[in-house]
Amino acid sequence: GENVEQHPSTLSVQEGDSAVIKCTYSDSASNYFPWYKQELGKRPQLIIDIRSNVGEKKDQRIAVTLNKTAKHFSLHITETQPEDSAVYFCAASSDYKLSFGAGTTVTVRA
Amino acid sequence: EAGVVQSPRYKIIEKKQPVAFWCNPISGHNTLYWYRQNLGQGPELLIRYENEEAVDDSQLPKDRFSAERLKGVDSTLKIQPAELGDSAVYLCASSLKLGSPTLWNTIYFGEGSWLTVV
Repeated sequence: GENVEQHPSTLSVQEGDSAVIKCTYSDSASNYFPWYKQELGKRPQLIIDIRSNVGEKKDQRIAVTLNKTAKHFSLHITETQPEDSAVYFCAASSDYKLSFGAGTTVTVRA
Repeated sequence: EAGVVQSPRYKIIEKKQPVAFWCNPISGHNTLYWYRQNLGQGPELLIRYENEEAVDDSQLPKDRFSAERLKGVDSTLKIQPAELGDSAVYLCASSLKLGSPTLWNTIYFGEGSWLTVV
């Protein structure tokens, strides 16, 4: 089955700086890569996703890049704000089965 | 539009007792998932339904876990008997499957049912 590895496990950034989270996946058949944000005690919420036919996607301060050859994808958050503090999960999917990374706890310091 | 609804939100039970969780997906969503999330980890799939059919239950511990989605709408996940290691958040999610995986649609999660086994 699919194995998704996510790094780093924790990330502390100064407000206004950028945050980058990286994930690798094992199944070359995976074709859908969403990112979820989960605040403490809340449900995971989709913040951005990318499909295998696209190399990069951007939505305001959030961007995701995908390198299919290397089987890795990354989340970039620019101009971080305190409300960006949360746990972020990457996931990879083939045949409708989502496999999640272990999560990155992002703390934005004011 | 209501999101994915789960109940109960919190449950504390003694080991060896049974417990059941209920989920009502977003209206019209034909695909329903049950995930388990341990503290500090990502969600792990237990079972996936397409309508009333369980199409992927390979990760469901069938000796003590069972699930059903009889009418292809809401679903129940049961654990009997519960063990200490079952303490986790049980997340239900739903999506609308559109024919081809290339038309993947977003998976929406419920708030989860927090289980503590003592």
